Amino acid sequence: AQKITQTQPGMFVQEKEAVTLDCTYDTSDPSYGLFWYKQPSSGEMIFLIYQGSYDQQNATEGRYSLNFQKARKSANLVISASQLGDSAMYFCAMREDNYGGSQGNLIFGKGTKLSVKP
Amino acid sequence: DAGVTQSPTHLIKTRGQHVTLRCSPISGHKSVSWYQQVLGQGPQFIFQYYEKEERGRGNFPDRFSARQFPNYSSELNVNALLLGDSALYLCASSLYGGAGNEQFFGPGTRLTVL
Repeated sequence: AQKITQTQPGMFVQEKEAVTLDCTYDTSDPSYGLFWYKQPSSGEMIFLIYQGSYDQQNATEGRYSLNFQKARKSANLVISASQLGDSAMYFCAMREDNYGGSQGNLIFGKGTKLSVKP
Repeated sequence: DAGVTQSPTHLIKTRGQHVTLRCSPISGHKSVSWYQQVLGQGPQFIFQYYEKEERGRGNFPDRFSARQFPNYSSELNVNALLLGDSALYLCASSLYGGAGNEQFFGPGTRLTVL
């Protein structure tokens, strides 16, 4: 079974509008972290935002916020006031803190390609 | 301070050859992880090294190997290259291995196997 599911292969948004990128996850580990990364065409993974499984409040970082619904196992990324430079691939990732083998490494979804229209 | 660096940036090889990719972590970071990202997919975990020892391994064949040096830099080696090994190889460093340590990614090495 997929551990991280991103159901939107591609999204379009008008410049200055808000957009939500969906992410659902699957784990039995009670302690985990959820991440969002931006990957422009250059290839580098740029960290955007982090949410821990025990965090009570939704994470926010500037124009990025994470809508964390633990019972639904979803961790959607909201980008407010989209800019042309936001056009990129966006990846949701999970780190399982207690399960051996992965040693805290990241499990990624397949990504969503966001295109911002002027 | 310099971020994670990787070399080379691009590489073209033919089937059956072997390749060595290199990664230098952020100064002070002792752990390096390697990921493979094939076109259209998210990155997939290959290896993690911490203090020169392998600490984690993903689901990759034995053709893939890695090591970490005393200065914490790392090499990823792939033998008997297949067309399917064509991918972006990402290196990430963290202060320590294991949970709770944020990983910082390098720009990647783009490998093409012909």
